[in-house]
Amino acid sequence: AQSVTQLDSQVPVFEEAPVELRCNYSSSVSVYLFWYVQYPNQGLQLLLKYLSGSTLVKGINGFEAEFNKSQTSFHLRKPSVHISDTAEYFCAVTGSARQLTFGSGTQLTVLP
Amino acid sequence: GAGVSQSPRYKVAKRGQDVALRCDPISGHVSLFWYQQALGQGPEFLTYFQNEAQLDKSGLPSDRFFAERPEGSVSTLKIQRTQQEDSAVYLCASSPRQGRGMNTEAFFGQGTRLTVV
Repeated sequence: AQSVTQLDSQVPVFEEAPVELRCNYSSSVSVYLFWYVQYPNQGLQLLLKYLSGSTLVKGINGFEAEFNKSQTSFHLRKPSVHISDTAEYFCAVTGSARQLTFGSGTQLTVLP
Repeated sequence: GAGVSQSPRYKVAKRGQDVALRCDPISGHVSLFWYQQALGQGPEFLTYFQNEAQLDKSGLPSDRFFAERPEGSVSTLKIQRTQQEDSAVYLCASSPRQGRGMNTEAFFGQGTRLTVV
């Protein structure tokens, strides 16, 4: 079985400040890890993914994430956020199952 | 079209009514998934198709839910005798890959928001 925990349901941050959205996963097999962003009334857009190799993954819109196998974490970071980054962010994992298993999401709100 | 298209975007159904939700995947995509996203939650898996074959329907919450993809392209998710707990956004995703790598290139539609009143 695989599962994902997003520890923070809401993260408010001021514009141009750094942000970290936390994600922990559990799986009995090796995993692929993903971060998706969802804007209001929109579908999911892939930000970045970890498949193998370098544990630091860079994605779109200046986001990056680091895979930490020992801590079973895949935290998302951005050094300086913009108002336009306000959205819901979902961490997801796929391992032994075909489908993606998603966390419950983190609402990032960037304040002016 | 260029992406995964879902219709209708919004659907209001009276309790007990049957509904049909449509997904047009990206042309040529082999794999197709349906997910259910309740308010304030992450998407949860419903069912998976590889071409026209429904290989996994373990996530369908009850026998009122039925999905098909008869020609390996367009898919329909049907919900019979809708109930209030069926209110959610239903997302469709397609991928050109199959096997473990399919989710590495998954594209999501904008979803259908179903409200049962």
